Amino acid sequence: KNQVEQSPQSLIILEGKNCTLQCNYTVSPFSNLRWYKQDTGRGPVSLTIMTFSENTKSNGRYTATLDADTKQSSLHITASQLSDSASYICVVRPYYGGSQGNLIFGKGTKLSVKP
Amino acid sequence: NAGVTQTPKFQVLKTGQSMTLQCAQDMNHEYMSWYRQDPGMGLRLIHYSVGAGITDQGEVPNGYNVSRSTTEDFPLRLLSAAPSQTSVYFCASGDLTNYGYTFGSGTRLTVV
Repeated sequence: KNQVEQSPQSLIILEGKNCTLQCNYTVSPFSNLRWYKQDTGRGPVSLTIMTFSENTKSNGRYTATLDADTKQSSLHITASQLSDSASYICVVRPYYGGSQGNLIFGKGTKLSVKP
Repeated sequence: NAGVTQTPKFQVLKTGQSMTLQCAQDMNHEYMSWYRQDPGMGLRLIHYSVGAGITDQGEVPNGYNVSRSTTEDFPLRLLSAAPSQTSVYFCASGDLTNYGYTFGSGTRLTVV
């Protein structure tokens, strides 16, 4: 079964520090991999989208990397801010026989940034 | 530039009641979908639509109905609510390349 696993489940860091969130997936082949940020009580908001052929994509202080050989992706947050406190969700879009399948969501990593 | 609008934001139902969760988008997106989000689980697809008059089932469709009479609207109907349907529901839309979905802010539903 296609799966998307994220680690850690939760993470607490101090403001200004960097952190890296991990995503391992078994979805193959896939069309693209996305990272979303979800604030408490809000809908997910897209941070980055990478096709299977891309290795890295940045969005401000957020940098996502993708290693399709090892089926791993990471999201690196630089110089964290209190507003980065949220859940971060890794999402993979499979590719089935010439067409894209429905998104497969990880359970998310809950990040808390403390002053 | 409203994006995706969901109503209501909160709802409490009694077991067996019916209701409709509303979703509207103003971006002329062909693709619309409904997800539910439960504690400790990833978002799960309930139903989706690739255009007006076209709907299909997702991963967890039982107990839910949808219709798509216009491009803008994609309501989700609960015919006979059950406690297992207590969840947060998100509507999302996108163009048919499905890059960059836009999510609504969610409806928190409690069935007692």
